[in-house]
Amino acid sequence: DAGVIQSPRHEVTEMGQEVTLRCKPISGHNSLFWYRQTMMRGLELLIYFNNNVPIDDSGMPEDRFSAKMPNASFSTLKIQPSEPRDSAVYFCASSLYRGVNSPLHFGNGTRLTVT
Amino acid sequence: DQQVKQNSPSLSVQEGRISILNCDYTNSMFDYFLWYKKYPAEGPTFLISISSIKDKNEDGRFTVFLNKSAKHLSLHIVPSQPGDSAVYFCAATSGTYKYIFGTGTRLKVLA
Repeated sequence: DAGVIQSPRHEVTEMGQEVTLRCKPISGHNSLFWYRQTMMRGLELLIYFNNNVPIDDSGMPEDRFSAKMPNASFSTLKIQPSEPRDSAVYFCASSLYRGVNSPLHFGNGTRLTVT
Repeated sequence: DQQVKQNSPSLSVQEGRISILNCDYTNSMFDYFLWYKKYPAEGPTFLISISSIKDKNEDGRFTVFLNKSAKHLSLHIVPSQPGDSAVYFCAATSGTYKYIFGTGTRLKVLA
């Protein structure tokens, strides 16, 4: 299996621009997560989807952030407008959640720099 | 409020010796704990886990110990190898999808 695939690997944009991060989860996984990693706060959960439905978006920092999962093999995280404090590494992860604990499988992340 | 804490941001160990990485948690409802390893420019990869019904789980050179009364877990790597140099994250969950991660410990194994 190719694992979780994220694109782009790096994104540099100017403040105020729209940014879209993309994720393809592992085939057959029913749960998808977007995390943000910063030095100060470590890995923070932004949003969780189960069977393509957003279940918990309490970690989304502001209305500028939105996420979609139109089908089982694709998700996007959008920031509009972007701000310098959004600079971080954004990870997508997937798992097969069947009511018991199962490890998350992470993509290689998108490093976002907003200038 | 950090529910999962890794108080040592970094650790250096000689090759062949034991590496011990520590993690403390505050939520007594956590019942499943994991360790992830992360190399630069890659995503975290799952290493080993432990359920709260156990106090030890072993996988090759990696052993995780859980002390529920102290709300403490540790990862032992024996013997340490240069390829183990990475950032290690502990994570915990209370039987839901929500994994809470620590801020990581950077391990450097010196050849």
